[in-house]
Amino acid sequence: EVQLVESGGGLVKPGGSLRLSCAASGFTFSSYSMNWVRQAPGKGLEWVSSISSSSSYIYYADSVKGRFTISRDNAKNSLYLQMNSLRAEDTAVYYCARDKYQQPFDPWGQGTLVTVSS
Amino acid sequence: EIVMTQSPATLSVSPGERATLSCRASQSVSSNLAWYQQKPGQAPRLLIYGASTRATGIPARFSGSGSGTEFTLTISSLQSEDFAVYYCQQYNNWPPDTFGQGTKLEIK
Repeated sequence: EVQLVESGGGLVKPGGSLRLSCAASGFTFSSYSMNWVRQAPGKGLEWVSSISSSSSYIYYADSVKGRFTISRDNAKNSLYLQMNSLRAEDTAVYYCARDKYQQPFDPWGQGTLVTVSS
Repeated sequence: EIVMTQSPATLSVSPGERATLSCRASQSVSSNLAWYQQKPGQAPRLLIYGASTRATGIPARFSGSGSGTEFTLTISSLQSEDFAVYYCQQYNNWPPDTFGQGTKLEIK
């Protein structure tokens, strides 16, 4: 069974840092691009960042560029999101999702909640 | 950046009736359009990709149509489990992959 499991969310003060992880299983992780998508409370879906299968191509939304860093470890079947200089507007559930070139996101993990508040 | 606009924001339909949800792209996305269903407290689930292909395990009452800039998701006979929020996503011109703002399908 293809599965993605996020972890690492929690409560952090503005200006703080957090590292999210996404553990993948049930498929050849190194063959797929991976993404982070977030959803603020009561809001819609916002793409955050993507990384290609070999980490050669990395992209960020303008809203997080310069503050967030996506990475992966294919040997550990894991995806990461290092989040620095966190702001209140970064408060959201963060999902990891799998895709391939010009394919939709499928599947998605269950999400991990990040709350930025003093 | 391609902007995806969904309508209506909320749709009230009775069980057993048909629901029609719309999604418009600010420029052509060919057929690289997906629909997702999201229930409260759950992750989005892929329903339709390639504008009209049902994902694995998705019931036949869900159908998608359209290409270019205009797309439709139709649920032919609503079941209780279908009441949820639906999002469209374009994956033709990226980054970024962009989502519509969602349509909430509620029980009438």
